[in-house]
Amino acid sequence: SYVLTQPPSVSVAPGETATITCGGNNIGGKSVHWYQQKPGQAPVLVVYDDTARPSGIPERFSGSNSGNTATLTISRAKAGDEADYYCQVWDSRSVHLHVLFGGGTKLTVL
Amino acid sequence: EVQLVESGGGLVQPGGSLRLSCATSGFTFATYSMSWVRQAPGKGLEWVANIRQDGNEKYYVDSVKGRFTISRDNAKNSLYLLMNTLRADDTAVYFCARESPDMSTIFFDYWGQGSLVTVSS
Repeated sequence: SYVLTQPPSVSVAPGETATITCGGNNIGGKSVHWYQQKPGQAPVLVVYDDTARPSGIPERFSGSNSGNTATLTISRAKAGDEADYYCQVWDSRSVHLHVLFGGGTKLTVL
Repeated sequence: EVQLVESGGGLVQPGGSLRLSCATSGFTFATYSMSWVRQAPGKGLEWVANIRQDGNEKYYVDSVKGRFTISRDNAKNSLYLLMNTLRADDTAVYFCARESPDMSTIFFDYWGQGSLVTVSS
């Protein structure tokens, strides 16, 4: 079955750029979506279809996807960006519907 | 404003049953596919089940097949998850999520606040 691999944690200094990766076999051929989840809250969609941002999401959040790695980039990181981040794809190869999440990455802004 | 509000969670013994509900508002419910996604304590997100707009197509993660049933009532703008033969590893916060209308992929553009299900004796 298809597996998405994320680093458990990433740290970034305020004002710097954070990069969170999501690895998968030929993930560049899939659409990747990213969610932000703060403690005790529901996930929030921050990037969809690899690079698109929902309305209300700052331009500081951007995405890319190529080869075996998709990336969420958070520029000019702020304390309020501290959260868990999850990548997600739809594995359409199977006759069954498979919605897959990565294991999540805890972003620390310090 | 799009709103999704789950209810029905609680403490249940192993082998028991529980029915979650998700009341929606602020959008035309009947035109969207919907999903349930769960999160075990301290763990990541796991997609559980999906139902198409008219309720005729349903899909489940392997671990809940035969035990969980997803359904919807478009007249009541509501989504449901009937959970039978519950196990300890079903303990999680269950989120109701609206799927995007993009037919080329699946992602979730709105989420409820979640309902905690605890399976324990």
